[in-house]
Amino acid sequence: AQSVTQPDIHITVSEGASLELRCNYSYGATPYLFWYVQSPGQGLQLLLKYFSGDTLVQGIKGFEAEFKRSQSSFNLRKPSVHWSDAAEYFCAVYTGTASKLTFGTGTRLQVTL
Amino acid sequence: DGGITQSPKYLFRKEGQNVTLSCEQNLNHDAMYWYRQDPGQGLRLIYYSQIVNDFQKGDIAEGYSVSREKKESFPLTVTSAQKNPTAFYLCASSKVSRADEQFFGPGTRLTVL
Repeated sequence: AQSVTQPDIHITVSEGASLELRCNYSYGATPYLFWYVQSPGQGLQLLLKYFSGDTLVQGIKGFEAEFKRSQSSFNLRKPSVHWSDAAEYFCAVYTGTASKLTFGTGTRLQVTL
Repeated sequence: DGGITQSPKYLFRKEGQNVTLSCEQNLNHDAMYWYRQDPGQGLRLIYYSQIVNDFQKGDIAEGYSVSREKKESFPLTVTSAQKNPTAFYLCASSKVSRADEQFFGPGTRLTVL
């Protein structure tokens, strides 16, 4: 069965610093990969997604993610973090099984001023 | 504006009572989903429905029930059989052919006292 691992539960960065959130997946073929962001008490908003093609994917709010098949990873990056980026970030995989998204456990991002 | 609404935002119930969470969408999506979110566990699928009058169990369906009498509505009932119902519940919808592209509602936080 597919699975998603986000090894960092909580990350703190200074405003203006770069950010990388890690995501590793387990699946035999190339899955569809997603990053979502959730502000406290809110629903999930899609940041970006990878289906095929160019392994570097651009998303909203200045985020990007790179798919690395050899490492089974799909890490999320942002060159310069803003205080408003503080939220929880979820990596997810879709493989067509049972029509569901499988989510990682999330990484909570704190931004210090 | 098209979107997904969930009501209420906060819900309090006494232990042993059934409670129903509302989810409505006007995106003309055929598929709808219910997820449960607990701290440190990401999102887990409870039930999903791809067509009116039909639904399937997800990973954690025990203690929950759903109905799909209308395309726009997918209410979730948390029954007294659910051992630990306090959680954040998220509803989502998608086109059937694009189950990978799910749109999320703002969520309902259920607290059982």
